[in-house]
Amino acid sequence: ETGVTQTPRHLVMGMTNKKSLKCEQHLGHNAMYWYKQSAKKPLELMFVYSLEERVENNSVPSRFSPECPNSSHLFLHLHTLQPEDSALYLCASSQDRQGAAYGYTFGSGTRLTVV
Amino acid sequence: AQTVTQSQPEMSVQEAETVTLSCTYDTSENNYYLFWYKQPPSRQMILVIRQEAYKQQNATENRFSVNFQKAAKSFSLKISDSQLGDTAMYFCAFPSSGGSQGNLIFGKGTKLSVKP
Repeated sequence: ETGVTQTPRHLVMGMTNKKSLKCEQHLGHNAMYWYKQSAKKPLELMFVYSLEERVENNSVPSRFSPECPNSSHLFLHLHTLQPEDSALYLCASSQDRQGAAYGYTFGSGTRLTVV
Repeated sequence: AQTVTQSQPEMSVQEAETVTLSCTYDTSENNYYLFWYKQPPSRQMILVIRQEAYKQQNATENRFSVNFQKAAKSFSLKISDSQLGDTAMYFCAFPSSGGSQGNLIFGKGTKLSVKP
């Protein structure tokens, strides 16, 4: 399997639940990203990992907790979410932190609904 | 701060015709890269075309081409011979810190509908 794979594709969770989003890339890339996509808003960068180290956290609430156990896997742990957190969460990867020169490879996203 | 603006929230085009999507950006860098991404209903963001700012020649990928005007900081996407499969959201993007550094930032997108 190649590319960037995200699971689950859809997720409905209550505000008191704990769930995790998973992202896996088979491209040999060293940088991975979480973006949040809400309707009528630009994509919002949430977290950046480079060589398994978190290098950016763009003022994301602590109810979102990322984890990068190795360069191929990225998780987003969710707990005590709010309805406004409902969105499409996209994972992306790039060869390294210079990847902005070549663009990113994206997964198909997880559509999250918080009820 | 770097910004990306797409002024057309929605556009439509007849099949086989040509359509142009606009994008403007703001940067103080001289060398950088610009991208157009396509997001069909399948939701996966797909890289359509890439332009290097230090190259004067406009990038072309099959039916997709750009009109890059560096001085005007304009980067429009032209789709020729539109096909039904071109129906998607289109996003303009470039690095937040200019050059090859920084993370990609995106415009709000243009929803393109290709009508039969």
